[in-house]
Amino acid sequence: KAGVTQTPRYLIKTRGQQVTLSCSPISGHRSVSWYQQTPGQGLQFLFEYFSETQRNKGNFPGRFSGRQFSNSRSEMNVSTLELGDSALYLCASSPIPRQGPYEQYFGPGTRLTVT
Amino acid sequence: AQTVTQSQPEMSVQEAETVTLSCTYDTSESDYYLFWYKQPPSRQMILVIRQEAYKQQNATENRFSVNFQKAAKSFSLKISDSQLGDAAMYFCAFSNNAGNMLTFGGGTRLMVKP
Repeated sequence: KAGVTQTPRYLIKTRGQQVTLSCSPISGHRSVSWYQQTPGQGLQFLFEYFSETQRNKGNFPGRFSGRQFSNSRSEMNVSTLELGDSALYLCASSPIPRQGPYEQYFGPGTRLTVT
Repeated sequence: AQTVTQSQPEMSVQEAETVTLSCTYDTSESDYYLFWYKQPPSRQMILVIRQEAYKQQNATENRFSVNFQKAAKSFSLKISDSQLGDAAMYFCAFSNNAGNMLTFGGGTRLMVKP
């Protein structure tokens, strides 16, 4: 089975622009979560999508948004980029368990640099 | 809200020796799950081990085992017979029963000396 893929792998944007990142989960996985990883703040949860609906949301401003398509692929969008948005953005997919959260399978990440 | 704390930013271990990484957490929930994830340099994060809070027995996965002390809210990871490939960042993570939403600790960088 192919793993979680994220595109693009690297991105350089200018402050004020917007950006869209894409994530393709493992086949059959219906839950997709996004995380931001920075040296200062560590790993922080952004949001989780399941069946095209946002199921959980982290503590990020409204400039961060996402969506999920019927094939479970997900995108996240950051508008009006700020220097502090420079980070590694990780996507993780998971099957839906009968009980409790399940193992999340992480993609390689998209490295976003805002200049 | 829950918090996860890893008090050791860096640890080193000699190859073939045993090392223990510490993790404490704070939560008011009774039903939750704890994880250790490994992030090798420039490689994808992978799950090392998982513990359900309702299970008293400590989880083990080959050379990896945990010491789960629920009352103390402590969840340490023991790596036995350390190998060079164990060198990585290790993250302790918490999740409640509401979905796939992980709260991570700050991480511990583990170095393995040959």
